Amino acid sequence: GQSLEQPSEVTAVEGAIVQINCTYQTSGFYGLSWYQQHDGGAPTFLSYNALDGLEETGRFSSFLSRSDSYGYLLLQELQMKDSASYFCAVINQGGKLIFGQGTELSVKP
Amino acid sequence: DTAVSQTPKYLVTQMGNDKSIKCEQNLGHDTMYWYKQDSKKFLKIMFSYNNKELIINETVPNRFSPKSPDKAHLNLHINSLELGDSAVYFCASSQERGLNNEQFFGPGTRLTVL
Repeated sequence: GQSLEQPSEVTAVEGAIVQINCTYQTSGFYGLSWYQQHDGGAPTFLSYNALDGLEETGRFSSFLSRSDSYGYLLLQELQMKDSASYFCAVINQGGKLIFGQGTELSVKP
Repeated sequence: DTAVSQTPKYLVTQMGNDKSIKCEQNLGHDTMYWYKQDSKKFLKIMFSYNNKELIINETVPNRFSPKSPDKAHLNLHINSLELGDSAVYFCASSQERGLNNEQFFGPGTRLTVL
């Protein structure tokens, strides 16, 4: 079977750093993606890791450890506009994107 | 300039009716998808087409029938609508063998079945 686990909600304050973890079980793993979705909006792509290590894009970084079937999304210098749901998603070799349940991030002033 | 567009944005209908949702992408992508997002925000793939050919067909009732007239369009027709079909349906597209497998999502269609 295929499954992904991520926390259901996280709360942090503006300017802080938050890490959203994701563990997965899947066959034919190809890579791990992260998507952001604001309330009422569409999912938008944040990052993709196919190899172990850290990928940095501005305030957001994503990490993957294939041996541990684990990844995380790191958000730095949090802003109010970062309040959203964050989804990790596994891509398998068939090209199918399988989403986790999402983590609702609330950023407080 | 809209990359992936869907119509309608909202759809309210009675049980038993048949409805269609249309999707178009102007990104020149080869692959298009339909996802269903339920009230708990769980996003699940339903179908995927590559160059008008069905490549992913999840366990979806056969009341749902996708149609791809060309690689820029992927429509979703739903027969005999049921209460449980109420959800947000997202269309998405991606470039085959894209660098980072990024999928571009449309704005969603919120379907409410009464």
